[in-house]
Parts: sequence; C-alpha cells; structure tokens
Amino acid sequence: QSVLTQPPSASGTPGQRVTISCSGSSSNIGDNTVNWYQQLPGAAPKFLIYGNDQRPSGVPDRFSGSKSGTSASLAISGLQSEDEADYYCAAWDDSLNAYVFGTGTKVTVL
Amino acid sequence: EVQLVESGGGLVKSGGSLRLSCAGSGFTLSSYSMNWVRQAPGKGLEWVSSISSLSNYIYYADSVKGRFTISRDNAKNSLYLQMNSLRAEDTAVYFCARDYMGGGGSCCGYWGQGTLVTVSS
Repeated sequence: QSVLTQPPSASGTPGQRVTISCSGSSSNIGDNTVNWYQQLPGAAPKFLIYGNDQRPSGVPDRFSGSKSGTSASLAISGLQSEDEADYYCAAWDDSLNAYVFGTGTKVTVL
Repeated sequence: EVQLVESGGGLVKSGGSLRLSCAGSGFTLSSYSMNWVRQAPGKGLEWVSSISSLSNYIYYADSVKGRFTISRDNAKNSLYLQMNSLRAEDTAVYFCARDYMGGGGSCCGYWGQGTLVTVSS
C-alpha cells in the first residue's frame, strides 16, 4: 500500500486544464522534493517533473508541478489526446528509507 | 543518447533465483545513482532498490530486503539485480532507471524498456 495517495482518475476535454493531487506526509513530501512520471499504455514511464516544479528538457511547458506542505500537484494545461496516460508522483521517504511512488492517476481525454 | 537495456527476465518457480542485468550506453554509468523499479501486471509502479554511483549507499524496499541484491560494475557500464527466494508476488516487469542528475536524489530520469519476471507457484 503506497504512502502517497492520488485520485484514481481524472478527465477533461481537449484544451482544458487538468490537475492531479498527491498527498503524503512529513516524512516524504513534507521533507523532500517530488517527482512526476507519465506512463503511456504499454510503455516505460517517462520523467515529467523533478524537484517539485522543474521540467526535464523536452517536456512541454503544458506540464507544471507544485508543492505545498505535505501535498503536491501536477497540472496539465491545454489537454491533448496524447496526454491520455497514467501519472505517478514519487518522493523519498525518510522514515522508510525508501523511494515511494503514488497510487497513480489515469487521465482520460474525453 | 542515453539507453538502458534490461535482460535476464523469464519464468522461474517459486523459491528460485534470477539475475537481471541492465546495460547502459550513451553516458558514463559511474557518474549516476541507479535504480530498479517494478510493475506487477495491471498495477502501479513500485520502487525496488537504489545504488549510489560508488556503491556506498544501497537501499531496498521492505518487500525485497534480504532476498534481492543490487550491484553495479561501472567498468562494464552495467547494473544488476540478484533475486533469490522468489515469490509469486515478485511477478512484474522490472525496469532499470538512471537518476536524472549526478549526485543522487533524482530518480528516475531515464528508463529501460523493462524485462518480465514471472514466478510460478
């Protein structure tokens, strides 16, 4: 059972803005930076956001991350059909001495 | 271009062993921490283990501690995962992943395509 909780699903129409939450605790998100991953169907995960709000090179600026206290969020603006995927947050947990992934959120483009 | 290629997956009986390998190219492995992440069929991502660039820091998920051993050979640009006492719940696609930046703490910036491990009971 993951220590980072995400909503199981989120959806929007093309062009809309979708936000995914990631709830943790003081030992993980509260004390460490958050990373986000996108996993398209049948593919390996892709690094989407690191250090709470930094985009690796090549990631469109439609994707943005933020963190406040023990929660983090990923926002996708100008939603596109190719954004339909599973999204995972992750952070180091100081109590577990482990890297923990969120439960994952499936984004559907209506 | 950074490339990671896993190998060594397959079908093994419960209680058996398997050794996964990950060959890196397009970068110098010795400069980065490396990780193993797995994904059971239809399930989410689960971090398995991490090893620092010089192998002086090694971490495991509780679910594999005492059964799995991560190692690396920087001269061969390779990462390994020795898996012993395998259980049905270890059935998953195992991904090798490189930290995004040197210095640790940026798991997992680059991923391999994964190798499937199936443990039969």
